[in-house]
Amino acid sequence: NAGVTQTPKFQVLKTGQSMTLQCAQDMNHEYMSWYRQDPGMGLRLIHYSVGAGITDQGEVPNGYNVSRSTTEDFPLRLLSAAPSQTSVYFCASSYGGTNTEAFFGQGTRLTVV
Amino acid sequence: GENVEQHPSTLSVQEGDSAVIKCTYSDSASNYFPWYKQELGKRPQLIIDIRSNVGEKKDQRIAVTLNKTAKHFSLHITETQPEDSAVYFCAASNAGNMLTFGGGTRLMVKP
Repeated sequence: NAGVTQTPKFQVLKTGQSMTLQCAQDMNHEYMSWYRQDPGMGLRLIHYSVGAGITDQGEVPNGYNVSRSTTEDFPLRLLSAAPSQTSVYFCASSYGGTNTEAFFGQGTRLTVV
Repeated sequence: GENVEQHPSTLSVQEGDSAVIKCTYSDSASNYFPWYKQELGKRPQLIIDIRSNVGEKKDQRIAVTLNKTAKHFSLHITETQPEDSAVYFCAASNAGNMLTFGGGTRLMVKP
């Protein structure tokens, strides 16, 4: 099993550009989520999904969209990139709700100039 | 929503000493409390977790304690080694919600 795979690993965007961060898991996990990690602020939840076709907002959803058309994939879309979205983004998945271990992808380091 | 505070933000210990990291949470409905270790440039990885029906859990040199009444939980690392140097995150959640993380503790173990 590959676990949770994120692409790309690094990305530089210009202000106003859009892009999609990809996340895929092969563990048949129902729950998937996106976090951003900024220095000194831990991991903050952007959006999450409890199953295919179901998504919800987390703590910092503005400027991001998600969809969950399959169990395996949970892409994160930046609609119009801003310098404040410069961060490291982590995708995570877990088997059955939050009371089980969350497995993280390797992260995407995004810089918006 | 849930709010998790973590202290200290940095911790420096001598190799062989113990390290303690403390977290408090606000939502009394939270019932799952994992701890993650993140090495530089790597992804967070689970090192230990505890559920609200348990007061303490131990795994070799690592232990976690939970006080539901006071709404705080702690990570204890004994006989620290240089490879324990990393950033540690606590988190809390209840059924149906995602994890809320603390701000992290950078642990440095000096040889």
